[in-house]
Amino acid sequence: AQRVTQPEKLLSVFKGAPVELKCNYSYSGSPELFWYVQYSRQRLQLLLRHISRESIKGFTADLNKGETSFHLKKPFAQEEDSAMYYCALIRDRGSTLGRLYFGRGTQLTVWP
Amino acid sequence: DAGVIQSPRHEVTEMGQEVTLRCKPISGHNSLFWYRQTMMRGLELLIYFNNNVPIDDSGMPEDRFSAKMPNASFSTLKIQPSEPRDSAVYFCASRRQGVPQHFGDGTRLSIL
Repeated sequence: AQRVTQPEKLLSVFKGAPVELKCNYSYSGSPELFWYVQYSRQRLQLLLRHISRESIKGFTADLNKGETSFHLKKPFAQEEDSAMYYCALIRDRGSTLGRLYFGRGTQLTVWP
Repeated sequence: DAGVIQSPRHEVTEMGQEVTLRCKPISGHNSLFWYRQTMMRGLELLIYFNNNVPIDDSGMPEDRFSAKMPNASFSTLKIQPSEPRDSAVYFCASRRQGVPQHFGDGTRLSIL
């Protein structure tokens, strides 16, 4: 079975500080990993997918298959980064159905 | 592209009433997902469809909940009769193979 774990329910940092949101997964196949972001009272938006290997809004995430992790990082947090962040996986890349398995989310607060 | 369109955006009704939530997926997307989000339980997948056929409804909490997808451009989630514990934000999302899930803005449901 697959599982996505986000160990921190809440995370607070000051503006300009580095931030890392942790995500660990368990699945024996070849999953595709994602980060979604949800700003206050808004819809979930795709932030990153591991196969794209791009940086969005200064965030990066690298898939570590050895540690089965997909941590989200940003070197200098901004107040507008305050949001709920969800890590999610699709069990197999190219999946026809594309069901996402979500972690419980991490609420990030960036203080001025 | 207008994105995933949900209606209504807000619904307030009394317990016992029937509630119908609507979703129009992105044109060309053939998978559709209904989620429920609460503070207590986080983001839960209720049911999802592929090519208008329900694939997995194991997340539907009880028989009071039902969902249909009569065609590729429309889906409904119905609660009858509604109860206060059904109060939540309900999200619809859609995708096609190779494309991540796109979420709608959600319906904020309050059952009094």
